[in-house]
Amino acid sequence: TQLLEQSPQFLSIQEGENLTVYCNSSSVFSSLQWYRQEPGEGPVLLVTVVTGGEVKKLKRLTFQFGDARKDSSLHITAAQTGDTGLYLCALRLNSGGSNYKLTFGKGTLLTVNP
Amino acid sequence: NAGVMQNPRHLVRRRGQEARLRCSPVKGHSHVYWYRQLPEEGLKFMVYLQKENIIDESGMPKERFSAEFPKEGPSILRIQQVVRGDSAAYFCASSPLEVGGLFGYTFGSGTRLTVV
Repeated sequence: TQLLEQSPQFLSIQEGENLTVYCNSSSVFSSLQWYRQEPGEGPVLLVTVVTGGEVKKLKRLTFQFGDARKDSSLHITAAQTGDTGLYLCALRLNSGGSNYKLTFGKGTLLTVNP
Repeated sequence: NAGVMQNPRHLVRRRGQEARLRCSPVKGHSHVYWYRQLPEEGLKFMVYLQKENIIDESGMPKERFSAEFPKEGPSILRIQQVVRGDSAAYFCASSPLEVGGLFGYTFGSGTRLTVV
């Protein structure tokens, strides 16, 4: 059973459109991070959310953390071709000991067409 | 460039050969993590090292895989007698302290291993 489910798996949109991708877990987690990975590169950290209900904005990107700390969403407004990439969510479980260990979802592969 | 440096970027090995993947962390970072990304799968934790110590190798196969982070020099992930199933992208990440809470990793660009 996959601990983290990301949806949709693939998303292809036109430049200028809005989109939302989701990350859901069966477990409560202490913090959640979103990364973007471009082809041939490593993931780059976008944001960390730690408080239930938290909303963070990064230019056209809005990240939301669910109240129950089991889900998160990423909304992109007016997508640009430069937003193309694999969006990964990663969590640390809400248990002590090995909180350095991140569990990643499989990601949402976003393609923004010109 | 003060980021995590991994080399080589691409590595081709025949079945049965050894693969050595190198990772130089961000200057000043003493914690190194290796992850593997297989096609159709997410990034999977392999091993966590501090200088001269393996802290957690629970994600690393018990056989053929080993990792080190010596006092001087880069961290090395070593795969002996490679098999086709080892083909994957291997990413190294570093952090200035044990990651928790707000801190995230800095990832390298990865080494793409192809076993033929």
